[in-house]
Amino acid sequence: EDQVTQSPEALRLQEGESSSLNCSYTVSGLRGLFWYRQDPGKGPEFLFTLYSAGEEKEKERLKATLTKKESFLHITAPKPEDSATYLCAVQASNYQLIWGAGTKLIIKP
Amino acid sequence: GAGVSQSPSNKVTEKGKDVELRCDPISGHTALYWYRQSLGQGLEFLIYFQGNSAPDKSGLPSDRFSAERTGGSVSTLTIQRTQQEDSAVYLCASSSSGHGTDTQYFGPGTRLTVL
Repeated sequence: EDQVTQSPEALRLQEGESSSLNCSYTVSGLRGLFWYRQDPGKGPEFLFTLYSAGEEKEKERLKATLTKKESFLHITAPKPEDSATYLCAVQASNYQLIWGAGTKLIIKP
Repeated sequence: GAGVSQSPSNKVTEKGKDVELRCDPISGHTALYWYRQSLGQGLEFLIYFQGNSAPDKSGLPSDRFSAERTGGSVSTLTIQRTQQEDSAVYLCASSSSGHGTDTQYFGPGTRLTVL
């Protein structure tokens, strides 16, 4: 069964304290892995798409990486405005996305 | 509009009432998706529209749920005889083609509360 698991469920960091969020997946025929950011009361906002193992993408303080079993979202020197829930989703054999439950990230000033 | 819009932003209803949720996708996007998001859980796929093709309704949880898309643009999700377990945030997304791995862009959602 296709499945996506994100860890940790919640992460509290001090401003400037770098860390990583994990997205583990089991899927037959990965077509793409997506990272989204969701702020309270808003819809998910697209961050990255990764297509194959070894691929990396960066945007400001965020860097996403992909292996055959998991993806990491690395956050370097985070700021309070990076606080949000980060969602991971995988696309398998069709257009449907399978979503993880998300990691709630809190950056304290 | 510039992005996906949804209305209403919040809806409180009584158990047993029917509700309609509206989604306006990004102009020109042919694919439209409805999801349900419950607290602490991942997004749950409900239904998918692609152009003039028959919609994929495989994610609808019961026959109380239905959706339509008129003119290939605006979509309405209808929940009949609402139950308390229907309380959730209902998200709509659109993408340019619905093929391959094109990005899905989300609206702000409708928070449904069934009393």
